[in-house]
Amino acid sequence: ETGVTQSPTHLIKTRGQQVTLRCSSQSGHNTVSWYQQALGQGPQFIFQYYREEENGRGNFPPRFSGLQFPNYSSELNVNALELDDSALYLCASSLREEQYFGPGTRLTVT
Amino acid sequence: AQSVTQLGSHVSVSEGALVLLRCNYSSSVPPYLFWYVQYPNQGLQLLLKYTSAATLVKGINGFEAEFKKSETSFHLTKPSAHMSDAAEYFCAVTGGTGTYKYIFGTGTRLKVLA
Repeated sequence: ETGVTQSPTHLIKTRGQQVTLRCSSQSGHNTVSWYQQALGQGPQFIFQYYREEENGRGNFPPRFSGLQFPNYSSELNVNALELDDSALYLCASSLREEQYFGPGTRLTVT
Repeated sequence: AQSVTQLGSHVSVSEGALVLLRCNYSSSVPPYLFWYVQYPNQGLQLLLKYTSAATLVKGINGFEAEFKKSETSFHLTKPSAHMSDAAEYFCAVTGGTGTYKYIFGTGTRLKVLA
């Protein structure tokens, strides 16, 4: 196990709602990255936070936003949920190039 | 810009046979390369990584990969497949400094036949 935890494990939301996913990074890691993995696809980079600042963003709309806290844990917020947002959301913590992934949150949008 | 191509979305091998999963990358900077395994309904587990040291990298569970710059490849191999190796495998590339965002391939599902 990597020491990266995510909550909740599963979540069902209705289109148009908002959701917050949480990630606790591995001890000592100051960087958190978020990925979206649609069914049958590889993970897609959403954004990364380094010491509470956004440090890079993938090709996702502004309704995907995030936060990193002083203890380096992180949140991913998604507003105005769409059916295509249904996916496994993975969080990864790191110090440098090697990322340690959590078990993910499975989000289903109906 | 970086990208990864995994040839073969599904690979089947017999138990005890050689496993070969292919990954080709494109990177404008010296790459760091990774192989991850994902079991159903789980996150990603690191198998091995290349970070510009030895070109032949050994990982967990008997897997290894060789970085070949001339071929822009980083194929994953295992001499003898076990039933427990059945899973989804992802190759990823990152590089440069600053944001170490990973670019993943689309994955290869490995099936091991008894």
